[in-house]
Amino acid sequence: GIQVEQSPPDLILQEGANSTLRCNFSDSVNNLQWFHQNPWGQLINLFYIPSGTKQNGRLSATTVATERYSLLYISSSQTTDSGVYFCAVENNAGNMLTFGGGTRLMVKP
Amino acid sequence: KAGVTQTPRYLIKTRGQQVTLSCSPISGHRSVSWYQQTPGQGLQFLFEYFSETQRNKGNFPGRFSGRQFSNSRSEMNVSTLELGDSALYLCASSVDAQSSEAFFGQGTRLTVV
Repeated sequence: GIQVEQSPPDLILQEGANSTLRCNFSDSVNNLQWFHQNPWGQLINLFYIPSGTKQNGRLSATTVATERYSLLYISSSQTTDSGVYFCAVENNAGNMLTFGGGTRLMVKP
Repeated sequence: KAGVTQTPRYLIKTRGQQVTLSCSPISGHRSVSWYQQTPGQGLQFLFEYFSETQRNKGNFPGRFSGRQFSNSRSEMNVSTLELGDSALYLCASSVDAQSSEAFFGQGTRLTVV
């Protein structure tokens, strides 16, 4: 099956700093999503981005499908950005997502 | 528009028992998928249902089963619980049959003692 790798596994930032999270995948995909898992466990949708670039406030994402990677940019980070960020992909013409291992982000005040 | 609703939120069961978890998708969504999250294995796909039919199944033993009703609500069942089944179980709903954006519920945290 498809493999998804996220880097870095852990990231510690000072409030106000910028960061880039990376997601590499091993095959072509039909769907790619970025999620933020809140402290209660719920996965919050950030981007649905099988290709191209999207922006939502301080967050933006780019997927280069031909090179099999996606990037999530967080600018001017805030303590509320802390948590685990997951990348998930689907490539089998269904709705079965394969998740990466996540990036655990801690933003210090 | 209400989001994905999972019940119960927390559950404690004894080894050997069985458990049923419920998921109500977003109104109009016809696809429901289930995932298990553990510290050791991360987020793993269990199964997906569309129009009451199981379309995909992950690499889990037969003790894990599910179904979907005509109103798209879904249940998953785990029989003969083992300590290793302790996990956060997440349900996702999608509007279409394939490659559509998934929206997750808050999850059911199952503890097996």
